[in-house]
Amino acid sequence: AQSVAQPEDQVNVAEGNPLTVKCTYSVSGNPYLFWYVQYPNRGLQFLLKYITGDNLVKGSYGFEAEFNKSQTSFHLKKPSALVSDSALYFCAVSPDSNYQLIWGAGTKLIIKP
Amino acid sequence: DAGVIQSPRHEVTEMGQEVTLRCKPISGHDYLFWYRQTMMRGLELLIYFNNNVPIDDSGMPEDRFSAKMPNASFSTLKIQPSEPRDSAVYFCATTVVGAGYTFGSGTRLTVV
Repeated sequence: AQSVAQPEDQVNVAEGNPLTVKCTYSVSGNPYLFWYVQYPNRGLQFLLKYITGDNLVKGSYGFEAEFNKSQTSFHLKKPSALVSDSALYFCAVSPDSNYQLIWGAGTKLIIKP
Repeated sequence: DAGVIQSPRHEVTEMGQEVTLRCKPISGHDYLFWYRQTMMRGLELLIYFNNNVPIDDSGMPEDRFSAKMPNASFSTLKIQPSEPRDSAVYFCATTVVGAGYTFGSGTRLTVV
């Protein structure tokens, strides 16, 4: 069965430190990969996506993600965390060019001052 | 573009009442998805439409739930009769193939 795993329910990082939110997937073909962020009492917001090309994708708010095909991973990164980055982060995968997303369970990111 | 517009933002209703949630998609987006989010079950896909036609409703929990998309500008999700376990945040999202989804702000439904 196709699936997306976010192995950490919560990630704690001190402000100013680099952050990584992990995502691995089990999907056939050449998937499209996405990251979304959800702030409290808000809908999910698109951060970035990988379709093809450079394995390092840059997105909104200084976030980037690295696609690793051999490890089937798409980890979200930021060089220097801000307190305002605290939110719930979702990884999602679209098999091939399909329109339907398979979602991870979400990772709560807490940035401490 | 005003984005995906959902109404109401909050809905409190008594068990047994009918509830209708509304969604106005982004113009030109030909896919529309209804999701439900709870702490226990996370994000669940209920149903999605392509060009106003329902494609997959296998996520709709019971016959009490129904969804329609009479035209490209409007969709509804109806629960009749509502039950306390339907309490959740319901999101509408729209997209075109290959693009990211755009989510509405959601409707927080509380059934008492």
